[in-house]
Amino acid sequence: LAKTTQPISMDSYEGQEVNITCSHNNIATNDYITWYQQFPSQGPRFIIQGYKTKVTNEVASLFIPADRKSSTLSLPRVSLSDTAVYYCLVGDRINNAGNMLTFGGGTRLMVKP
Amino acid sequence: DAEITQSPRHKITETGRQVTLACHQTWNHNNMFWYRQDLGHGLRLIHYSYGVQDTNKGEVSDGYSVSRSNTEDLPLTLESAASSQTSVYFCASSPGPNQPQHFGDGTRLSIL
Repeated sequence: LAKTTQPISMDSYEGQEVNITCSHNNIATNDYITWYQQFPSQGPRFIIQGYKTKVTNEVASLFIPADRKSSTLSLPRVSLSDTAVYYCLVGDRINNAGNMLTFGGGTRLMVKP
Repeated sequence: DAEITQSPRHKITETGRQVTLACHQTWNHNNMFWYRQDLGHGLRLIHYSYGVQDTNKGEVSDGYSVSRSNTEDLPLTLESAASSQTSVYFCASSPGPNQPQHFGDGTRLSIL
Protein backbone atom coordinates (compact mmCIF):
# COMPACT_ATOMS: atom_id res chain seq x y z
CA LEU A 1 0.00 0.00 0.00
CA ALA A 2 1.02 3.59 -0.60
CA LYS A 3 0.75 4.06 3.14
CA THR A 4 0.97 7.44 4.78
CA THR A 5 1.81 8.13 8.41
CA GLN A 6 0.69 11.22 10.30
CA PRO A 7 0.56 12.21 13.98
CA ILE A 8 -2.73 11.17 15.52
CA SER A 9 -3.45 14.53 17.11
CA MET A 10 -2.10 18.03 17.65
CA ASP A 11 -3.12 20.95 19.82
CA SER A 12 -2.60 24.60 19.03
CA TYR A 13 -3.84 28.05 20.00
CA GLU A 14 -5.57 30.67 17.95
CA GLY A 15 -3.18 32.80 15.92
CA GLN A 16 -0.37 30.24 15.88
CA GLU A 17 1.11 28.56 12.82
CA VAL A 18 0.49 24.82 12.66
CA ASN A 19 2.64 22.35 10.75
CA ILE A 20 1.43 18.81 10.14
CA THR A 21 3.85 16.34 8.61
CA CYS A 22 2.97 13.25 6.60
CA SER A 23 5.41 10.45 5.88
CA HIS A 24 5.08 8.56 2.58
CA ASN A 25 8.23 6.53 2.05
CA ASN A 26 7.03 4.54 -0.98
CA ILE A 27 5.73 7.45 -3.03
CA ALA A 28 5.99 6.76 -6.75
CA THR A 29 7.31 9.00 -9.48
CA ASN A 30 3.90 10.06 -10.75
CA ASP A 31 2.21 10.55 -7.38
CA TYR A 32 0.98 13.94 -6.27
CA ILE A 33 0.44 14.74 -2.60
CA THR A 34 -2.97 16.07 -1.64
CA TRP A 35 -4.23 17.29 1.72
CA TYR A 36 -7.84 17.28 2.85
CA GLN A 37 -9.74 18.72 5.80
CA GLN A 38 -12.70 16.98 7.38
CA PHE A 39 -15.28 18.31 9.82
CA PRO A 40 -17.66 16.01 11.74
CA SER A 41 -20.51 14.60 9.64
CA GLN A 42 -19.03 15.96 6.43
CA GLY A 43 -16.93 14.55 3.62
CA PRO A 44 -13.27 15.56 3.31
CA ARG A 45 -12.61 18.84 1.57
CA PHE A 46 -9.61 19.62 -0.63
CA ILE A 47 -7.05 22.02 0.85
CA ILE A 48 -3.91 21.89 -1.27
CA GLN A 49 -1.95 19.70 -3.66
CA GLY A 50 1.66 19.57 -4.75
CA TYR A 51 4.33 17.50 -6.46
CA LYS A 52 7.60 19.00 -5.22
CA THR A 53 9.13 22.02 -3.47
CA LYS A 54 6.56 24.49 -2.15
CA VAL A 55 2.98 25.29 -3.03
CA THR A 56 0.93 28.07 -1.48
CA ASN A 57 -2.71 29.03 -1.81
CA GLU A 58 -5.04 31.30 0.14
CA VAL A 59 -5.46 28.92 3.06
CA ALA A 60 -2.27 26.86 3.39
CA SER A 61 1.24 26.05 2.24
CA LEU A 62 2.64 22.66 1.35
CA PHE A 63 6.34 21.90 1.69
CA ILE A 64 7.80 18.87 -0.07
CA PRO A 65 11.52 18.01 0.24
CA ALA A 66 13.58 16.84 -2.70
CA ASP A 67 13.22 13.13 -1.90
CA ARG A 68 9.40 13.55 -1.66
CA LYS A 69 9.19 10.97 1.13
CA SER A 70 7.37 13.38 3.39
CA SER A 71 5.33 16.54 3.15
CA THR A 72 4.31 19.27 5.59
CA LEU A 73 1.04 21.11 5.59
CA SER A 74 1.37 24.57 7.09
CA LEU A 75 -1.66 26.48 8.33
CA PRO A 76 -0.82 30.11 9.14
CA ARG A 77 -2.51 31.80 12.10
CA VAL A 78 -5.12 29.13 12.86
CA SER A 79 -8.54 29.97 14.23
CA LEU A 80 -11.08 27.91 16.17
CA SER A 81 -12.77 27.01 12.89
CA ASP A 82 -9.64 25.14 11.78
CA THR A 83 -10.36 22.45 14.37
CA ALA A 84 -10.79 19.39 12.17
CA VAL A 85 -9.12 16.20 10.99
CA TYR A 86 -6.46 16.61 8.29
CA TYR A 87 -5.55 13.84 5.87
CA CYS A 88 -2.77 13.49 3.37
CA LEU A 89 -3.29 11.31 0.30
CA VAL A 90 -0.55 10.16 -2.02
CA GLY A 91 -1.54 9.43 -5.60
CA ASP A 92 -5.02 8.61 -6.83
CA ARG A 93 -4.65 5.14 -8.28
CA ILE A 94 -2.42 2.13 -8.22
CA ASN A 95 0.95 3.72 -8.81
CA ASN A 96 3.92 2.54 -10.84
CA ALA A 97 5.06 0.33 -8.00
CA GLY A 98 1.66 -1.38 -7.79
CA ASN A 99 0.76 0.38 -4.56
CA MET A 100 -2.88 1.12 -3.78
CA LEU A 101 -3.68 4.67 -2.83
CA THR A 102 -4.87 5.04 0.72
CA PHE A 103 -5.60 7.76 3.19
CA GLY A 104 -3.77 7.56 6.46
CA GLY A 105 -5.53 7.80 9.79
CA GLY A 106 -5.48 11.59 9.71
CA THR A 107 -4.35 14.18 12.25
CA ARG A 108 -6.93 15.57 14.62
CA LEU A 109 -6.13 19.25 15.13
CA MET A 110 -7.62 20.99 18.14
CA VAL A 111 -7.34 24.78 18.17
CA LYS A 112 -7.86 26.36 21.56
CA PRO A 113 -8.77 29.97 22.38
CA ASP B 1 -23.68 24.43 -9.14
CA ALA B 2 -22.15 21.04 -9.81
CA GLU B 3 -22.23 18.66 -6.87
CA ILE B 4 -21.93 15.09 -5.66
CA THR B 5 -24.81 13.61 -3.70
CA GLN B 6 -25.14 10.40 -1.74
CA SER B 7 -28.33 8.68 -0.75
CA PRO B 8 -29.61 7.68 1.63
CA ARG B 9 -27.79 9.71 4.31
CA HIS B 10 -28.68 7.14 6.95
CA LYS B 11 -29.75 3.51 6.68
CA ILE B 12 -30.37 0.68 9.09
CA THR B 13 -30.68 -2.86 7.79
CA GLU B 14 -30.28 -6.46 8.86
CA THR B 15 -27.49 -8.92 8.23
CA GLY B 16 -27.85 -10.88 5.03
CA ARG B 17 -29.81 -8.21 3.19
CA GLN B 18 -28.64 -6.66 -0.05
CA VAL B 19 -28.01 -2.94 0.26
CA THR B 20 -27.27 -0.38 -2.44
CA LEU B 21 -25.87 3.06 -1.74
CA ALA B 22 -26.25 5.68 -4.43
CA CYS B 23 -23.69 8.22 -5.58
CA HIS B 24 -24.46 10.84 -8.23
CA GLN B 25 -22.17 13.59 -9.49
CA THR B 26 -22.94 16.40 -11.90
CA TRP B 27 -19.36 17.46 -12.68
CA ASN B 28 -19.02 14.99 -15.55
CA HIS B 29 -15.92 13.61 -13.82
CA ASN B 30 -14.33 10.46 -15.19
CA ASN B 31 -13.01 9.15 -11.86
CA MET B 32 -15.25 8.00 -9.04
CA PHE B 33 -14.35 6.39 -5.73
CA TRP B 34 -16.01 4.70 -2.78
CA TYR B 35 -14.45 4.78 0.70
CA ARG B 36 -15.46 3.58 4.12
CA GLN B 37 -14.49 5.40 7.27
CA ASP B 38 -14.15 3.68 10.61
CA LEU B 39 -12.65 4.88 13.87
CA GLY B 40 -8.95 4.18 13.94
CA HIS B 41 -8.72 3.42 10.22
CA GLY B 42 -9.23 6.71 8.48
CA LEU B 43 -10.61 6.38 4.96
CA ARG B 44 -10.14 3.09 3.15
CA LEU B 45 -10.74 2.62 -0.56
CA ILE B 46 -13.39 0.07 -1.51
CA HIS B 47 -13.76 0.39 -5.28
CA TYR B 48 -12.98 2.96 -7.92
CA SER B 49 -13.76 3.67 -11.56
CA TYR B 50 -11.91 5.61 -14.23
CA GLY B 51 -14.84 5.78 -16.62
CA VAL B 52 -17.97 4.11 -17.95
CA GLN B 53 -17.78 0.30 -17.79
CA ASP B 54 -14.52 0.49 -15.81
CA THR B 55 -14.36 -0.74 -12.19
CA ASN B 56 -11.43 -1.66 -9.98
CA LYS B 57 -11.01 -3.18 -6.54
CA GLY B 58 -9.61 -1.13 -3.73
CA GLU B 59 -8.01 -2.02 -0.43
CA VAL B 60 -11.19 -3.43 1.20
CA SER B 61 -13.35 -4.66 -1.67
CA ASP B 62 -14.52 -8.02 -0.26
CA GLY B 63 -18.30 -8.08 0.12
CA TYR B 64 -18.83 -5.01 -2.09
CA SER B 65 -19.48 -4.46 -5.78
CA VAL B 66 -19.92 -1.45 -8.06
CA SER B 67 -21.06 -0.85 -11.62
CA ARG B 68 -20.55 2.16 -13.87
CA SER B 69 -23.16 2.35 -16.59
CA ASN B 70 -22.91 6.12 -17.06
CA THR B 71 -20.61 8.98 -16.11
CA GLU B 72 -22.75 10.39 -13.33
CA ASP B 73 -23.42 7.37 -11.12
CA LEU B 74 -21.43 4.77 -9.21
CA PRO B 75 -23.75 2.74 -6.96
CA LEU B 76 -22.16 0.60 -4.25
CA THR B 77 -23.81 -2.74 -3.46
CA LEU B 78 -23.37 -4.90 -0.40
CA GLU B 79 -24.49 -8.30 -1.65
CA SER B 80 -25.14 -9.78 1.80
CA ALA B 81 -24.70 -7.22 4.52
CA ALA B 82 -22.55 -8.15 7.51
CA SER B 83 -22.22 -6.37 10.85
CA SER B 84 -18.56 -5.68 10.04
CA GLN B 85 -19.77 -3.44 7.23
CA THR B 86 -21.37 -1.00 9.63
CA SER B 87 -19.55 2.20 8.77
CA VAL B 88 -19.77 5.63 7.18
CA TYR B 89 -19.42 5.45 3.41
CA PHE B 90 -18.10 8.29 1.28
CA CYS B 91 -18.26 8.69 -2.45
CA ALA B 92 -15.86 10.97 -4.32
CA SER B 93 -15.13 12.04 -7.87
CA SER B 94 -12.29 13.72 -9.72
CA PRO B 95 -11.84 14.90 -13.30
CA GLY B 96 -8.69 12.95 -14.09
CA PRO B 97 -5.30 11.66 -12.95
CA ASN B 98 -3.88 13.33 -9.86
CA GLN B 99 -6.74 15.80 -9.65
CA PRO B 100 -8.28 16.59 -6.23
CA GLN B 101 -11.29 14.54 -5.25
CA HIS B 102 -14.68 16.03 -4.41
CA PHE B 103 -16.50 14.16 -1.66
CA GLY B 104 -20.14 13.66 -0.83
CA ASP B 105 -21.40 14.07 2.72
CA GLY B 106 -21.51 10.36 3.40
CA THR B 107 -23.97 7.59 4.18
CA ARG B 108 -24.10 6.23 7.69
CA LEU B 109 -24.94 2.52 7.41
CA SER B 110 -25.84 0.38 10.41
CA ILE B 111 -26.20 -3.38 10.01
CA LEU B 112 -27.91 -5.13 12.87
